[in-house]
Amino acid sequence: DQQVKQNSPSLSVQEGRISILNCDYTNSMFDYFLWYKKYPAEGPTFLISISSIKDKNEDGRFTVFLNKSAKHLSLHIVPSQPGDSAVYFCAASVQGGSEKLVFGKGTKLTVNP
Amino acid sequence: GAVVSQHPSWVICKSGTSVKIECRSLDFQATTMFWYRQFPKQSLMLMATSNEGSKATYEQGVEKDKFLINHASLTLSTLTVTSAHPEDSSFYICSAPMQGMRETQYFGPGTRLLVL
Repeated sequence: DQQVKQNSPSLSVQEGRISILNCDYTNSMFDYFLWYKKYPAEGPTFLISISSIKDKNEDGRFTVFLNKSAKHLSLHIVPSQPGDSAVYFCAASVQGGSEKLVFGKGTKLTVNP
Repeated sequence: GAVVSQHPSWVICKSGTSVKIECRSLDFQATTMFWYRQFPKQSLMLMATSNEGSKATYEQGVEKDKFLINHASLTLSTLTVTSAHPEDSSFYICSAPMQGMRETQYFGPGTRLLVL
């Protein structure tokens, strides 16, 4: 049972435009959500996170939106740059859940020059 | 920033042998570390939680006798794949959360295991 779903395995965007990566979850106990960026043969690196008490968190070119009623979150990257090309994983955790993360399958973003 | 290292970065072994993978937190102490496995085009699947000074906690479906975990110190956890078989070939990644900083979980660079 996939508790965190990233239904788009890949996304291609033109440089300078907005990239929108989507993530859905089924476990209503999740209260903290994170996005990680991963290059091939490397470990994921933390990008941005959001607590369930918020609906938006912004950090430079990256913004994460959370819609609790829809159990949906999205990562917006604007403007997109070729260096943003990577696999993006959505992850979720439960408060008091020993910081275990549940990951989605990832979305491969390609930003074309 | 905080760094988590893994060694080796890749290993090729014969079927039936055991392989040990080390995970170290380089500039912070980690009472808990996590071990993940990632198959091609799949998600990172949590295998087990490594706890310093106590037994590891394994996720459902993960054989504790096959994947031995030892959290020897506050900066070192090891995963030993015992009697490795070709189906154990995968990308193994560890992570360590910095205490008190829930959003900050640092991942190692991963270990590529190929069992022939």
